[in-house]
Amino acid sequence: EAGVTQSPTHLIKTRGQQATLRCSPISGHTSVYWYQQALGLGLQFLLWYDEGEERNRGNFPPRFSGRQFPNYSSELNVNALELEDSALYLCASSRDRDDSNEQFFGPGTRLTVL
Amino acid sequence: AQSVSQHNHHVILSEAASLELGCNYSYGGTVNLFWYVQYPGQHLQLLLKYFSGDPLVKGIKGFEAEFIKSKFSFNLRKPSVQWSDTAEYFCAVNALKGFQKLVFGTGTRLLVSP
Repeated sequence: EAGVTQSPTHLIKTRGQQATLRCSPISGHTSVYWYQQALGLGLQFLLWYDEGEERNRGNFPPRFSGRQFPNYSSELNVNALELEDSALYLCASSRDRDDSNEQFFGPGTRLTVL
Repeated sequence: AQSVSQHNHHVILSEAASLELGCNYSYGGTVNLFWYVQYPGQHLQLLLKYFSGDPLVKGIKGFEAEFIKSKFSFNLRKPSVQWSDTAEYFCAVNALKGFQKLVFGTGTRLLVSP
């Protein structure tokens, strides 16, 4: 069974640009989560999508947004990039919205903002 | 707001030493508790989880954790570590039913010397 995949592996942008990160969940999983792992801040919850809808959002500004497609893959968009957005962005998926389900994590996208 | 504290940021042990990593959370209601591990160059993966029942849970690779509700703690233990246990360990809590938000601690880097 293929795991959660993310693309690109690395992304370099300059301040003010937009970044788009992509995630494909495990086959059969309908929930997708995004987390930010910034240096010194640990893993912080960003967004949760299930069945194409945004279900929960972390404490991040509106320039962090995303969507989930009919095939359950997901995009994370970060507009007006700031230097502090440099981080590893992890995507996770779970079978459905039942909170007893384990979240499986992908390898992450390393975003560097110059 | 929920928070998770991991007391040790860096731990260095020799092989065969015993391990205990502390984790405390702040939330008065029902919680789901997790320990995740990230081996060098690999994805974040689930080590063990507690939802209900026996407060002593066993995970993969000989790890176990004990949930002590009165202390709001979920410490990770292993009686005898191996060099291959070198990794970063994250404690996480899901405290809001239906919101699927994992709150992570800042992680503990474990280095096991052969």
